[in-house]
Amino acid sequence: GALVYQYPRRTICKSGTSMRMECQAVGFQATSVAWYRQSPQKTFELIALSTVNSAIKYEQNFTQEKFPISHPNLSFSSMTVLNAYLEDRGLYLCGASHRGSQNTLYFGAGTRLSVL
Amino acid sequence: GEQVEQLPSILRVQEGSSASINCTYENSASNYFPWYKQEPGENPKLIIDIRSNMERKQTQGLIVLLDKKAKRFSLHITDTQPGDSAMYFCAASEGNYAQGLTFGLGTRVSVFP
Repeated sequence: GALVYQYPRRTICKSGTSMRMECQAVGFQATSVAWYRQSPQKTFELIALSTVNSAIKYEQNFTQEKFPISHPNLSFSSMTVLNAYLEDRGLYLCGASHRGSQNTLYFGAGTRLSVL
Repeated sequence: GEQVEQLPSILRVQEGSSASINCTYENSASNYFPWYKQEPGENPKLIIDIRSNMERKQTQGLIVLLDKKAKRFSLHITDTQPGDSAMYFCAASEGNYAQGLTFGLGTRVSVFP
C-alpha cells in the first residue's frame, strides 16, 4: 500500500535557527507533495504544493524564502523552516499523491516542531 | 480558492448511536471530498471519500452524502464505538491529483458508554 514517512518525528530548535524535515513516499510515485502545517487549535494550513515538472506553488502567507522545498524525485521531498520563531510551531505534515489516485492524499505522521 | 466550514466542532455521542458531521464548501468546481480521522499523536488517515459523480458512498459503518446543489457534504458514523473517538476533518479539492486539499476546522468526536 501507499505509505509516507516523515523524519524527524519531533524536533526542537532555537529561535532564529533553521530546521529541515523530510518526506519519503514508499510503494508509489509521489507525483505531487503537499506540505501542511497544523498549528495548535487550528486546522491544516496548506504551505505549498509541489508537482513534478511544475513550479512549486506557495499559498498566501507562505514563501519560498521562509519554507524552501525540494522535490528531486518521485519518492522524496524536503522542506526547511528558515529562521524559525514561536509562530512556526506546529505539526508539519507531508501529503503525497500520485496520478492514479487523483487528489487522494496520503499523509505521513508529521514532524512536530517546537521553538525555544 | 476554497473555504470549507465544518460543524459541529465538538460532538459527544453515546456508544451505539450515530454521529453526523456536516461540511459546506464555496467553490462549485470542487469535485473531491475526503474525510480524515486523526487520533492523538497520529497522522490523519483517510477513512472515506466521495467524488462529485456520486451522491452517496458507504463503507464499514461510514456513510458520506454529497449535495452538490447545496455545496454540502456530510459524514455519518453508524453504531459508534469507543474507537471512533478522534478528530475528524473534512476537505475539498478541485481538479486532478493534489490541487491542494482545503480542510475544515475539524470535529472532536467523543463516544461515551
